[in-house]
Amino acid sequence: DIQMTQSPSSLSASVGDRVTITCRASQSISLYLNWYQQKPGKAPKLLIYAASSLQSGVPSRFSGSGPGTDFTLTISSLQPEDFATYYCQQSYSTPNTFGQGTKLEIK
Amino acid sequence: QVQLQESGPGQVKPSETLSLTCIVSGGSISSYYWSWIRQPAGKGLEWIGRIYTSGSTNYNPSLKSRVTMSVDTSKSRFSLKLSSVTAADTAVYYCARAGVVVPGAIPYFDYWGQGTLVTVSS
Repeated sequence: DIQMTQSPSSLSASVGDRVTITCRASQSISLYLNWYQQKPGKAPKLLIYAASSLQSGVPSRFSGSGPGTDFTLTISSLQPEDFATYYCQQSYSTPNTFGQGTKLEIK
Repeated sequence: QVQLQESGPGQVKPSETLSLTCIVSGGSISSYYWSWIRQPAGKGLEWIGRIYTSGSTNYNPSLKSRVTMSVDTSKSRFSLKLSSVTAADTAVYYCARAGVVVPGAIPYFDYWGQGTLVTVSS
């Protein structure tokens, strides 16, 4: 299985901050990397697919980079609704695997 | 707008079989992979497996011996069975659309059900 490791596991930030979350794959996965946002009691929501493509309807303050083994999710200017948990996920091979999550909290 | 809705018992006894169904509406079930994903309380996401509308499947090796997925395209629904459940199978179970089957396309989960909590308890 491909292991996905996110860092940090948690992060405190303020509205307006620029935030970067990192996801590392245990082997090269090309562009097969997706990012999701999950709020308490809700299903995950797709933000970024194929490492850097913005899902329709997602604000442009979200961006992603890759490819290879190291990926980042950047939020350029945090908004109150962005405080949530973020997961990366590889779809390069089965079993698809997720990172352990990064909880983004208000400072 | 594609919508997914999970249904099934909210409680299952240990050693019995968990059965869930996901109904797809607002779009075609054809030409896509459909997945089940679960999340224990306070923990991360675990991919259980996926099924294509032809019936071909891929399962997580950690669950493979206990998982069966099926699809009924005429009713736009797909199902999950997980046998011999234990307390460790207690989780919110999500169904999700897992990507279009096109050469070179990168799969992703773009539509999710709202999730259903399944508790394993006697």
